[in-house]
Amino acid sequence: AQKITQTQPGMFVQEKEAVTLDCTYDTSDQSYGLFWYKQPSSGEMIFLIYQGSYDEQNATEGRYSLNFQKARKSANLVISASQLGDSAMYFCAMREGQIRMDSSYKLIFGSGTRLLVRP
Amino acid sequence: EAQVTQNPRYLITVTGKKLTVTCSQNMNHEYMSWYRQDPGLGLRQIYYSMNVEVTDKGDVPEGYKVSRKEKRNFPLILESPSPNQTSLYFCASSLFLSGTGLSGANVLTFGAGSRLTVL
Repeated sequence: AQKITQTQPGMFVQEKEAVTLDCTYDTSDQSYGLFWYKQPSSGEMIFLIYQGSYDEQNATEGRYSLNFQKARKSANLVISASQLGDSAMYFCAMREGQIRMDSSYKLIFGSGTRLLVRP
Repeated sequence: EAQVTQNPRYLITVTGKKLTVTCSQNMNHEYMSWYRQDPGLGLRQIYYSMNVEVTDKGDVPEGYKVSRKEKRNFPLILESPSPNQTSLYFCASSLFLSGTGLSGANVLTFGAGSRLTVL
């Protein structure tokens, strides 16, 4: 079963508007972490934001915020005031369980959402 | 500058010709990992290493080898490349902070990617 689901293969947003990229996850662990990465056309993976499963507040980093709804198992990324430079592929990822010596610390990635910002 | 460096960035090779993709990090990270990215599949873990001389298989290890003789280096070896190994490869590293599943992001820092084509 897919662990991370990103149902929007592609999205458009008008410059300066806000956009929400959807991410749902599946895990039976109580402790986990959720990440969003940005991949511009140049190909590198850029870390954007992190939410721990026990964090009570939604994470925010500048124009990025994570709408964490634990009961619904969703971790949507909200980008406010979109800029042309936000055009990229966005990946949601999950780390299951606590970091331990015997754990692999694997990130499980969704298939990504390509965002295009229109001028 | 703190970074993960991969080489080569681009490579076209032929079936069966052994190749090595190098990965080096200058952040004194214990944990290193290789992922491959394929369209519609996101990123999948190939191998990981918790520390020097400690390596283990990820989700898609077939056809790959790794070694971790030094903390900073984690090369990916394709002994006999095949066309289904045509992909975008990422090396990533992180500090290993045991028991921090409840707090702290343990963010994976990715290299710039290596695009490999096997003819």
